[in-house]
Amino acid sequence: EDKVVQSPLSLVVHEGDTVTLNCSYEVTNFRSLLWYKQEKKAPTFLFMLTSSGIEKKSGRLSSILDKKELFSILNITATQTGDSAIYLCAVVTNAGKSTFGDGTTLTVKP
Amino acid sequence: GAGVSQSPRYKVAKRGQDVALRCDPISGHVSLFWYQQALGQGPEFLTYFQNEAQLDKSGLPSDRFFAERPEGSVSTLKIQRTQQEDSAVYLCASSSRDSGRAGGELFFGEGSRLTVL
Repeated sequence: EDKVVQSPLSLVVHEGDTVTLNCSYEVTNFRSLLWYKQEKKAPTFLFMLTSSGIEKKSGRLSSILDKKELFSILNITATQTGDSAIYLCAVVTNAGKSTFGDGTTLTVKP
Repeated sequence: GAGVSQSPRYKVAKRGQDVALRCDPISGHVSLFWYQQALGQGPEFLTYFQNEAQLDKSGLPSDRFFAERPEGSVSTLKIQRTQQEDSAVYLCASSSRDSGRAGGELFFGEGSRLTVL
């Protein structure tokens, strides 16, 4: 059975801090790993990773995948209160099915 | 449409009632997924359509759950004889053919929050 485990489950930081969120997985027929941000409503896409060692970057957010050790990290630098959300990691198989972790709830205090 | 649209946004049902949840995906999106999200957990896969074909329904928790997409566009998730453990947010997501092949992003609707009393 495909499995995605995220850590920590929750995290509280202050504005300006840097955070690292972790995602490990066990899946057959891996195709890609995706990160989503979920505020009060629908998850919204952040990054898609398919190859090891290539960092994806968007502003203060960056992510990297290690296909040998089966994990990914999401880094957020200089956090802001608007970064408060649940961050979801999902792994997609060759059949197109996405399996999600339980997410990391990030709270950024002013 | 511009985004994935789900209705109703909120539904309160008495235990034993049947409910139907609707999803209108982004126009032209081939793939459609249903997920169940309980409080404090990530979305759990329920079922997946490619056009009108239901390719995977392995996540449906019981035979009380049924999904259809008869014309390859709008989909309905039906839950018969609802029970309290069915209370959750039901998320619908769609993806384009190219996105799906590339293992790419899902576009989510805002979900239907079901509360069973």
